[in-house]
Amino acid sequence: NAGVTQTPKFQVLKTGQSMTLQCAQDMNHEYMSWYRQDPGMGLRLIHYSVGAGITDQGEVPNGYNVSRSTTEDFPLRLLSAAPSQTSVYFCASSLRQGYNSPLHFGNGTRLTVT
Amino acid sequence: AQSVTQLDSQVPVFEEAPVELRCNYSSSVSVYLFWYVQYPNQGLQLLLKYLSGSTLVKGINGFEAEFNKSQTSFHLRKPSVHISDTAEYFCAVSMDTGRRALTFGSGTRLQVQP
Repeated sequence: NAGVTQTPKFQVLKTGQSMTLQCAQDMNHEYMSWYRQDPGMGLRLIHYSVGAGITDQGEVPNGYNVSRSTTEDFPLRLLSAAPSQTSVYFCASSLRQGYNSPLHFGNGTRLTVT
Repeated sequence: AQSVTQLDSQVPVFEEAPVELRCNYSSSVSVYLFWYVQYPNQGLQLLLKYLSGSTLVKGINGFEAEFNKSQTSFHLRKPSVHISDTAEYFCAVSMDTGRRALTFGSGTRLQVQP
């Protein structure tokens, strides 16, 4: 059972470069989301999706784009990386949006922007 | 708006001692409350959740939490900790209405010493 798979595990970018963080789940979950984790700040929601073709902004969406063309995949794009985007990024999914569906997390992507 | 405060950033404790990790929340509407655990270099896993009913909630690995509406608290407890409980613990809240996105606290690092 793969669950939620994130790639890559580590990435170093230079300011201004672009990249895509990949997230895939094999549990047929409707709801997928991206969080960033920074020391002393917990996890903050970047973007989320309640199904294929539907996305919405979270708490800290600036500088990030997402799309959801399939149920399984939810990539996060950084168009022009900035040092402020140095963080650990987590993808999470649940059967559906709502309090009664626990989130399943990937193991994270550690991104450093120099 | 909802918010979560975890008062202790680090809690050192000796093995087999009891522990309490504190969590307070603020919200103008009914909430659902969660505790997640993050082991080193992993994503978050659900420990327990309070949705309704009994205010004492039991979770995995011998943890329990008590919902106190008057004090707006949801403290996590374990009567006897093990070395393997060393991890970071996050309290999270979801509102009863609207988007129901999870808001996480800043985390408490539990360090169990032999």
